[in-house]
Order: sequence, then C-alpha cells, then structure tokens
Amino acid sequence: DGGITQSPKYLFRKEGQNVTLSCEQNLNHDAMYWYRQDPGQGLRLIYYSQIVNDFQKGDIAEGYSVSREKKESFPLTVTSAQKNPTAFYLCASSPKTGPSRGYTFGSGTRLTVV
Amino acid sequence: SQKIEQNSEALNIQEGKTATLTCNYTNYSPAYLQWYRQDPGRGPVFLLLIRENEKEKRKERLKVTFDTTLKQSLFHITASQPADSATYLCALNFILTGGGNKLTFGTGTQLKVEL
Repeated sequence: DGGITQSPKYLFRKEGQNVTLSCEQNLNHDAMYWYRQDPGQGLRLIYYSQIVNDFQKGDIAEGYSVSREKKESFPLTVTSAQKNPTAFYLCASSPKTGPSRGYTFGSGTRLTVV
Repeated sequence: SQKIEQNSEALNIQEGKTATLTCNYTNYSPAYLQWYRQDPGRGPVFLLLIRENEKEKRKERLKVTFDTTLKQSLFHITASQPADSATYLCALNFILTGGGNKLTFGTGTQLKVEL
C-alpha cells in the first residue's frame, strides 16, 4: 500500500544537537511538505518542495534545513539554532497537478528536548 | 494579516445528532478549502475539498458549505457516532506560481460524541 513513512516516532534531543527527521513516500507525489504542530497553534509550514532539488521556506523556516535529492525522500534537520524545537512534526505529500485528493500525511515524529 | 479561525472550545454532542463545525477566514482568497480529521498522536486525514465556485459538497454523512462572501465554511456530520470523536481541521489552499499548491491550517475544533 502507498503512503508516507516518518521515522522515528519519538526523538529526544540534547541542547546544542542537530537531529534529522526522516520522511519517505511511495505515492509518486511531486510535492512534499514539513509542518510543525504545537498545542493550540495548529499546523505551521516549515519547508516545502514541489520538485526534486528544489525547496522553499515556509512560514517558520528559521532553525531548520531540508534537502530533496530524491523524489521519495524529504528529510528535515532541526538545528541547534532552533530555540524551541519540542513539537510534533508532520510530513505530507501531494500530487503537483492539483489538490483534489488532499494531502497525505505521515504519522508524525514527536521531538523532545532533554 | 491572514487568519483562519476555528472554534477552540470543544464541541460535545449526543450520538445521532448533527455536529456543525465552523471555519472563518480573513484576508484570504483561497482557491480551495479542505477539511481534515486528526486523532490524538496521528497525522491528519483528508476528508473533503470544496472549490471557491462550489457552494456545497457531500460525502456519505459529511457535508461542507463554502461561502466566499462571508468567508466561512461549515462542516456537518449527520447521525454522529462516538467514532466521529476527533479534532477537525480546516485548511485553505493556494495555487503557487509555477504550479503546485500550499495549504494553511486552522487550529482545529475537538468534537466529542457522547452516547
């Protein structure tokens, strides 16, 4: 079955560390997205990519970096510059041709700073 | 500034009744509006999409309306069941230059259906 796989499900980060969250999809979708979810604030867009080797900043890109070397993969790195990284991170994908089927989301990674 | 508002207070209704959730937005002209369901600790799941030139869309027990003059969407679940209990997210869709689209989400409304 096609879908999006995020790993790990839970991640603990020490102060000053960089960590990378994995996102892989086998839906043949062109576009991929990273969102952050905090209680009471809804989902906020971090980065998005419409095509391989190209990506754009979303609304809260500071302290994060991404790469899109393969169509199937869109990893997110949370750097030490992100001052408040504890949150629930969601990866999504969609066909570039149109949103009629909505976005497909992964099951999320919960990141905690210890 | 752009804003999407959903009722932050939880909605509690009795099984069998119709649940109505509201999504209001300001300073947007979205091409599409979408509704998602999210269960605790899980990613959102797409439910319905309605285009700016559509007034109403139905899918089984779900109905969505879209009033671009009022800048409001209503999401209805008829004959509600305890299994419908979840958080429901409204999202506005914008077409990007060069193709593709970008989705902006509201904060969600938690629905609880009681026996």
